Amino acid sequence: AQKVTQAQTEISVVEKEDVTLDCVYETRDTTYYLFWYKQPPSGELVFLIRRNSFDEQNEISGRYSWNFQKSTSSFNFTITASQVVDSAVYFCALRHTGGTSYGKLTFGQGTILTVHP
Amino acid sequence: DVKVTQSSRYLVKRTGEKVFLECVQDMDHENMFWYRQDPGLGLRLIYFSYDVKMKEKGDIPEGYSVSREKKERFSLILESASTNQTSMYLCASRTGTSGNNEQFFGPGTRLTVL
Repeated sequence: AQKVTQAQTEISVVEKEDVTLDCVYETRDTTYYLFWYKQPPSGELVFLIRRNSFDEQNEISGRYSWNFQKSTSSFNFTITASQVVDSAVYFCALRHTGGTSYGKLTFGQGTILTVHP
Repeated sequence: DVKVTQSSRYLVKRTGEKVFLECVQDMDHENMFWYRQDPGLGLRLIYFSYDVKMKEKGDIPEGYSVSREKKERFSLILESASTNQTSMYLCASRTGTSGNNEQFFGPGTRLTVL
């Protein structure tokens, strides 16, 4: 069975601090995809990144970076020099592959990030 | 830009009422999904549809049904609303032509059942 765990329910930081959001997953698939989404107070989930299981390179996009480690089944997300606008709920998700999965996602519980000025 | 819209942002219904939540996407996506979001539980898949008139149960389909008569529209139906269906409901769509495409989400409907 697929499972995604975000152990940090809530994180609170002060602006300009770096913060890492943890994501650990379980799957029996040899090919899979991992995603991060951001949900700002407006409610709409916004896609941040997609990573497939064959690509273990870390990725950096501006202040955002992602560390994918297959050996520990983790896909952690770091925000450098956090800003108040980063305050949101962040979800990690695992995509099912094969069969009739049709792109189904299994989501983690979400991490509420609050960045104080 | 991909646009997924949901008929209501906030909805209040009474126990036993039949409730329709509508979702429309404008990108000709094949796949559409309904999730509910509850604190501490993340998003859980209720139903999804991989094409017109096709539907599949997700992880928590009990108490819900769906309808997809047209490609752009996917409706979630609560046949007899109950208080434990008070939740945030999120609709999503994605193109079915590539295995790793992301889902695009609507703004959500916050449903309260009294």
